[in-house]
Amino acid sequence: GENVEQHPSTLSVQEGDSAVIKCTYSDSASNYFPWYKQELGKGPQLIIDIRSNVGEKKDQRIAVTLNKTAKHFSLHITETQPEDSAVYFCAARNYGGSQGNLIFGKGTKLSVKP
Amino acid sequence: DGGITQSPKYLFRKEGQNVTLSCEQNLNHDAMYWYRQDPGQGLRLIYYSQIVNDFQKGDIAEGYSVSREKKESFPLTVTSAQKNPTAFYLCASRAGVDYGYTFGSGTRLTVV
Repeated sequence: GENVEQHPSTLSVQEGDSAVIKCTYSDSASNYFPWYKQELGKGPQLIIDIRSNVGEKKDQRIAVTLNKTAKHFSLHITETQPEDSAVYFCAARNYGGSQGNLIFGKGTKLSVKP
Repeated sequence: DGGITQSPKYLFRKEGQNVTLSCEQNLNHDAMYWYRQDPGQGLRLIYYSQIVNDFQKGDIAEGYSVSREKKESFPLTVTSAQKNPTAFYLCASRAGVDYGYTFGSGTRLTVV
């Protein structure tokens, strides 16, 4: 089945710097890759997603890139702000035995220092 | 507004007791999911349901049970067989196979 690896597990940046989180997946048939942001004590919220027919997608300060050949995708946050501090999860959709369920990475704790 | 509601937000359980966590959605989503999250850990799938009256075990189903009698509701029971139930529990739903999940705000269960 699908396996998603996420790196780094923790990331600390200065306010205004960029942050990059990377994920790799194992199932070449996966075609949907969402990113979630989880603030302390809350449920994860979808912040951006990308499908396999697109190489890059942007939404203001957030962008996601996908390299299908290498089977990896990345989240890029520019001009980071303290409110970007949270845990970020990547995921990939597996069309195999789990009926299209999302497979999640283990998360990256991002800290943005003022 | 449409959304997914988990209740209660905090729950305390004595050892040996069963407790039920509520998850209700008014998004008309077919699929629903339960995840467990331990401090500093990722999301581990407990159970999921693609349609009413049907559900499947996830990666850590032992000590848990679910039901899906209505499309809107997917309650999770943490039984006394679950040896380490203290955790943050998240419910999610999905509109269709081409979409991501919508998560609830979670229930924090503590065994006292």
